[in-house]
Amino acid sequence: GPKVLQIPSHQIIDMGQMVTLNCDPVSNHLYFYWYKQILGQQMEFLVNFYNGKVMEKSKLFKDQFSVERPDGSYFTLKIQPTALEDSAVYFCASSRTGADNQAPLFGEGTRLSVL
Amino acid sequence: GEQVEQRPPHLSVREGDSAIIICTYTDSATAYFSWYKQEAGAGLQLLMSVLSNVDRKEEQGLTVLLNKKDKRLSLNLTAAHPGDSAVYFCAVRASSGSWQLIFGSGTQLTVMP
Repeated sequence: GPKVLQIPSHQIIDMGQMVTLNCDPVSNHLYFYWYKQILGQQMEFLVNFYNGKVMEKSKLFKDQFSVERPDGSYFTLKIQPTALEDSAVYFCASSRTGADNQAPLFGEGTRLSVL
Repeated sequence: GEQVEQRPPHLSVREGDSAIIICTYTDSATAYFSWYKQEAGAGLQLLMSVLSNVDRKEEQGLTVLLNKKDKRLSLNLTAAHPGDSAVYFCAVRASSGSWQLIFGSGTQLTVMP
């Protein structure tokens, strides 16, 4: 079936550096999401992106975070600069529409370790 | 805002037994309800989703019940097998206009042979 792919699966970075997490959503999906999961805790919503714009974001989506999908390529989450508390698994998701009955498909996550 | 509580945090059952996981939510306008399975080191696999106009849905050994009066959502795995061992999350979406899924804290299910 269709899959959301995330690259890389694990990234280790020094605090203060920039990191870009890449997501290859399902090809005909138009809505994209990032979620953050700290080890042992539940998934928390970061941001929703549609038609080139951030539609909704949570308080976890700090000013250091940005998202984009240039020219229909990867949907990316950039963190600049990174902080220790950014260590977590970041999950990308996509859905064809934003309708209530559209369940997002999730990728397998990128584990980010900030040292 | 919406708050979701999930219980139990850990659940162990024998193969062939049923396992029930419950989530309660606070916003009566919640419109969308779903259950996800997360195996170790993997992403989320959607098990089942229902809208607020559905009270019960069954698929492949799974039953989702929605009690809107009590604001309670449950997942029942009938005849669990070891391959069902994973962390299960409920996730709800508040009234239309929000794309945000709010997740429960997860239930670690262990099915023993």
